[in-house]
Amino acid sequence: DTAVSQTPKYLVTQMGNDKSIKCEQNLGHDTMYWYKQDSKKFLKIMFSYNNKELIINETVPNRFSPKSPDKAHLNLHINSLELGDSAVYFCASSQGYLSTDTQYFGPGTRLTVL
Amino acid sequence: KNEVEQSPQNLTAQEGEFITINCSYSVGISALHWLQQHPGGGIVSLFMLSSGKKKHGRLIATINIQEKHSSLHITASHPRDSAVYICAVGLGGSEKLVFGKGTKLTVNP
Repeated sequence: DTAVSQTPKYLVTQMGNDKSIKCEQNLGHDTMYWYKQDSKKFLKIMFSYNNKELIINETVPNRFSPKSPDKAHLNLHINSLELGDSAVYFCASSQGYLSTDTQYFGPGTRLTVL
Repeated sequence: KNEVEQSPQNLTAQEGEFITINCSYSVGISALHWLQQHPGGGIVSLFMLSSGKKKHGRLIATINIQEKHSSLHITASHPRDSAVYICAVGLGGSEKLVFGKGTKLTVNP
């Protein structure tokens, strides 16, 4: 019974396309995150939602738009995909939004933009 | 310069060896996390520290707030410990985590 799930696991697409990645957690957590891991394996926060409210919005191109329909879901929509968007995107969740809260990660979505 | 520095970048050990991975940070923090990323890509949280020391099985994590330094130790290392170990800090005044670049550990049988 997966705690944090993401779909799809792999996404290969052409430059200029629009794509979405979905994330769901069944842990009853209030906070969800999107992270980007680049080719050098460096993780960086993109967005964080607490109770469907955006609380962290890092310097990310506005082609990236998160959407949280409810506390259990946080989707990431990317418009006009660029080569530099190729990365692994991880969703995570935690009970609270404090940096002391343990985060639980999804399996990642490997996005390849051709 | 990254706010979180890890050393070494790569570490190769023989099964049974005692392993130490270091993490230094340059700013005040509210919390420090150690994470493990498996070869298959999955990320698991190992510890959250705000002071002192924590132990779970063969893993021990320590933090020295004054020296802005944390260590992750693995006793009696095993090939299944092979993974990337990532240090992340919660910056004081911010609830986001800032990550180190990870330490890739390979334990040979």
